[in-house]
Amino acid sequence: GDSVTQMEGPVTLSEEAFLTINCTYTATGYPSLFWYVQYPGEGLQLLLKATKADDKGSNKGFEATYRKETTSFHLEKGSVQVSDSAVYFCALSLDYKLSFGAGTTVTVRA
Amino acid sequence: EAGVAQSPRYKIIEKRQSVAFWCNPISGHATLYWYQQILGQGPKLLIQFQNNGVVDDSQLPKDRFSAERLKGVDSTLKIQPAKLEDSAVYLCASSLSGSPEVGELFFGEGSRLTVL
Repeated sequence: GDSVTQMEGPVTLSEEAFLTINCTYTATGYPSLFWYVQYPGEGLQLLLKATKADDKGSNKGFEATYRKETTSFHLEKGSVQVSDSAVYFCALSLDYKLSFGAGTTVTVRA
Repeated sequence: EAGVAQSPRYKIIEKRQSVAFWCNPISGHATLYWYQQILGQGPKLLIQFQNNGVVDDSQLPKDRFSAERLKGVDSTLKIQPAKLEDSAVYLCASSLSGSPEVGELFFGEGSRLTVL
């Protein structure tokens, strides 16, 4: 079935470090791709999305590019802050169904 | 704007007991979702409502789980009888559109269930 596989955590970084979280997908059609984030004590929220190949989603300094040739949607941020500590979920949507990866816990230390 | 409200936030029960979770979506959102998130896993869709009709309940264990959305607004998810493997966070989400590509899902903070 349609699914996403994302990098296992936890990931621990220092402030201002570069962050990459890998995400690859398997789908029978042409899905839309998302990154959701869950900050401590809060609900899941949409971080960014891309709806077709070569689209780049961006928000809060995070970016991800929909790569059809490698079936990937890796999340990147050039300089992380302590406030970016959270659990990040890659997700895909096809046929009105949203499916999530297992999540990657990121901790940023001052 | 008020977000998605869920209650209770935490519940501890013995196996074979029953439990119910309540969700109040964002006003005007036609689509409501219940997800189950087991520790260390991503959320898994249990059921999706469009207004008060069920769109997808293919992954809902219907022998023990039930859900309803009366009048197309609030929703209740019930588990009876509970099993140990039902220990999880139950997430409610709502959106304006039935398509995640079009309508962003807004999630509540979740209801954490522990079955002993």
